[in-house]
Amino acid sequence: DPKIIQKPKYLVAVTGSEKILICEQYLGHNAMYWYRQSAKKPLEFMFSYSYQKLMDNQTASSRFQPQSSKKNHLDLQITALKPDDSATYFCASSQSNSAETLYFGSGTRLTVL
Amino acid sequence: GDSVTQTEGQVALSEEDFLTIHCNYSASGYPTLFWYVQYPGEGPQLLFRASRDKEKGSSRGFEATYDKGTTSFHLRKASVQESDSAVYYCALSDQFGANTGKLTFGHGTILRVHP
Repeated sequence: DPKIIQKPKYLVAVTGSEKILICEQYLGHNAMYWYRQSAKKPLEFMFSYSYQKLMDNQTASSRFQPQSSKKNHLDLQITALKPDDSATYFCASSQSNSAETLYFGSGTRLTVL
Repeated sequence: GDSVTQTEGQVALSEEDFLTIHCNYSASGYPTLFWYVQYPGEGPQLLFRASRDKEKGSSRGFEATYDKGTTSFHLRKASVQESDSAVYYCALSDQFGANTGKLTFGHGTILRVHP
C-alpha cells in the first residue's frame, strides 16, 4: 500500500484557474515537503513544513500556497495558473526536517492549457 | 548557490555491463550527498547517502564514495541487470538544508539496460 498518497494523479487545468493538489502521508512523519519536476529541469524544492509550521519557502510566487490542516496532510493550492506551471508535483515526508531520508509520493502531473 | 552536475543524460548498457554515472557537486560547507532512483510512475526513492569525506554508500550492488577533494560522488555498479533500468538522481543537502530538508538535485541520468 502506498504510504504517501497524492491526488489526483493527473490534472488538466485552464490558464487563470485555481487547483489544489492533495497529499497525505501515513508514515507517522513530522516533516512534509513539496518538490516540482518540470520538463528539462531537475527536481526543485518548493516548501518544507515541520509540525505543520513552514520551515523553508523557495517558491518565488505567492500563487503557490501550501495548506496543512493536519500533521499528515500538506496540500498545495495554486492560483492563477499559467502554462509554465505545467509539471509533476511531488509530495515527500521525513521523520524530522533534517537531511535524512525523504520518502516521495508518486506525484501529480499538472498540465495547464 | 548549490548545484549538482550529472555528466550523463542517458546511458544504455547490456546486462552484466559495468555502470558509472558521474556526479559532481558545488556547495558551501560540508554537504550530505545522496543517490535517488526513480522508476516509471513512481516518485524518487533513496538508494543511499554519505555524510563525510571517504564514506562509501551502497545498496543493491550500487555504490559511491564521497570525495571532498574532487567534489564527486560517482555511482557505480559492477554488473547491471535489466531491472536496474530507471532514472538516477544525485542530490545534496547543505548545512542550511540540513535544518529544512531541502535537497538540491541533479538533472538525472536515464539508465536503460538491454537483455
